[in-house]
Amino acid sequence: GESVGLHLPTLSVQEGDNSIINCAYSNSASDYFIWYKQESGKGPQFIIDIRSNMDKRQGQRVTVLLNKTVKHLSLQIAATQPGDSAVYFCAEGYNQGGKLIFGQGTELSVKP
Amino acid sequence: DGGITQSPKYLFRKEGQNVTLSCEQNLNHDAMYWYRQDPGQGLRLIYYSQIVNDFQKGDIAEGYSVSREKKESFPLTVTSAQKNPTAFYLCASTTMGGIGYGYTFGSGTRLTVV
Repeated sequence: GESVGLHLPTLSVQEGDNSIINCAYSNSASDYFIWYKQESGKGPQFIIDIRSNMDKRQGQRVTVLLNKTVKHLSLQIAATQPGDSAVYFCAEGYNQGGKLIFGQGTELSVKP
Repeated sequence: DGGITQSPKYLFRKEGQNVTLSCEQNLNHDAMYWYRQDPGQGLRLIYYSQIVNDFQKGDIAEGYSVSREKKESFPLTVTSAQKNPTAFYLCASTTMGGIGYGYTFGSGTRLTVV
């Protein structure tokens, strides 16, 4: 659900390693899921999305995995680069054009 | 280029003042949203509108007001009733009934009370 005053969890990785960012979503009726990347002082940018009739989708260096049984979403980033340092948000939607519900966010820090 | 534009990028407000944040989109999107983001935290929904001349409160609407007189525009007014307005404000838009309905976000307005 919505973030309500909690500080962001952080993930620190070495440059070149793979990163896995996890998200637990709240509504079993949700049928669309998105990952956003937000760099400091900027608006969130779309990374990748997935529908509930899929369990995996790949993009360029990114893979999203969906486990509907346990309502879990993950974002895998291959060969993490310093430019990947940002806050990553998952979001879920449950009807076309309806509101998205954003997760708390995870701050990814990449060490050179 | 199509996109969503927020202005100003930085805004300073004195105690007791109302200020208005602008959000304009040329994506022909039906729905528009305002979020508040505090440092190190997630997004909290203030108001949203899915059609012109109609809008709904989000989770933290107190102290804020909006209007949707045109499809392209969804300004947010931070009133003096908002006791802690210092935050980063994000506007987003999306189409209704499309294949995918992820949001497009603006670049944000950072509001500071002085």
